[in-house]
Amino acid sequence: AQSVTQPDIHITVSEGASLELRCNYSYGATPYLFWYVQSPGQGLQLLLKYFSGDTLVQGIKGFEAEFKRSQSSFNLRKPSVHWSDAAEYFCAVGARAAGNKLTFGGGTRVLVKP
Amino acid sequence: ETGVTQSPTHLIKTRGQQVTLRCSSQSGHNTVSWYQQALGQGPQFIFQYYREEENGRGNFPPRFSGLQFPNYSSELNVNALELDDSALYLCASSGDAAGLNYEQYFGPGTRLTVT
Repeated sequence: AQSVTQPDIHITVSEGASLELRCNYSYGATPYLFWYVQSPGQGLQLLLKYFSGDTLVQGIKGFEAEFKRSQSSFNLRKPSVHWSDAAEYFCAVGARAAGNKLTFGGGTRVLVKP
Repeated sequence: ETGVTQSPTHLIKTRGQQVTLRCSSQSGHNTVSWYQQALGQGPQFIFQYYREEENGRGNFPPRFSGLQFPNYSSELNVNALELDDSALYLCASSGDAAGLNYEQYFGPGTRLTVT
């Protein structure tokens, strides 16, 4: 069975500082990995995805993530945070063998200090 | 904008009632998935429909059921509502479930409150 762990429930970062959100997954085969962002009361917006190939993927809004198979991790990073990045971030894993359902982590809420 | 719409935006129901939530998928997408997101949690997979047939189900009881129609719309029905059913319900559409285009596009959700 697939599972996703996001160890940090809340992260507070100053505007302009760097951000890293952690994600660890469990799945026996090569997973599909995703990061989504959710603003309050809104649906989910895809930031980036990893299916195969280059393990460093670039996404929208200046985000990137690195897939590390040896560590079963897919951490999200942004070099310089903007106040508009305050939101909840979800890591998700999917697999065609699992009927393409997405399994989400519990989320990390990011607060941005001025 | 993902092109996925959901209605209604908000809904208040009483315990024991039945509810129908609607989703309009992105044009050309023949796969729709439904997720339940309780407050403060990540979304949980309810089920998926592919070409109008159920194509996988999460750990939800049979009182959660769905339909998918040829015009890219779908429904989530919940019978005998319980207080714990209060949540944001998200639908997501994607291309062919058996194909390579696996990205799921989420709608804005329906907030269901059961009192």
